[in-house]
Amino acid sequence: RKEVEQDPGPFNVPEGATVAFNCTYSNSASQSFFWYRQDCRKEPKLLMSVYSSGNEDGRFTAQLNRASQYISLLIRDSKLSDSATYLCVVNKEAAGNKLTFGGGTRVLVKP
Amino acid sequence: GAVVSQHPSWVICKSGTSVKIECRSLDFQATTMFWYRQFPKQSLMLMATSNEGSKATYEQGVEKDKFLINHASLTLSTLTVTSAHPEDSSFYICSAPPGLAGELYNEQFFGPGTRLTVL
Repeated sequence: RKEVEQDPGPFNVPEGATVAFNCTYSNSASQSFFWYRQDCRKEPKLLMSVYSSGNEDGRFTAQLNRASQYISLLIRDSKLSDSATYLCVVNKEAAGNKLTFGGGTRVLVKP
Repeated sequence: GAVVSQHPSWVICKSGTSVKIECRSLDFQATTMFWYRQFPKQSLMLMATSNEGSKATYEQGVEKDKFLINHASLTLSTLTVTSAHPEDSSFYICSAPPGLAGELYNEQFFGPGTRLTVL
């Protein structure tokens, strides 16, 4: 079983619609959680950290469910520029910064 | 924000040659840098942790004699792919968290990646 699992998609989303997807992680000792965005042939860029109480950044909302070991990302009012692969990333160490990446969820926003 | 650069951005080489990739933190010091590899349509896989002034630590299954890492200064780590073969063709990305080794930071800064093609 992979440490961090994601639905690869693609999620085809009409412009202006809402899309949500999850990520599950296997290590219950995982400490920190993030969503990164990766465009084709580019490096990942941090979209947002995920906090226990859930957090929102503009049109993006992230949730963490430690009991069920999953995190989610919701994108409201999707823009064409939101088309990308969204990577679920987990830091399972109490110290240090070794990140484990999920396989990514591809989102395609269409006019 | 903090910037990490990589050089070269792409390289094509013949099978059997060695390729060196540089990762630099431009406006901060990084005692630790990470090297990842990403094959097409797959996720980033951590290869090794580069530690300034000491030996790199490699993830399981990564050959340390094939992927040589040198972290000679607080702003530079190099990855050398020795005797490269076509199966080594991949997207190699480095990242660096700001600050001291062992500290936990919310963000790592990624280099733009190096696309290696071995013929």
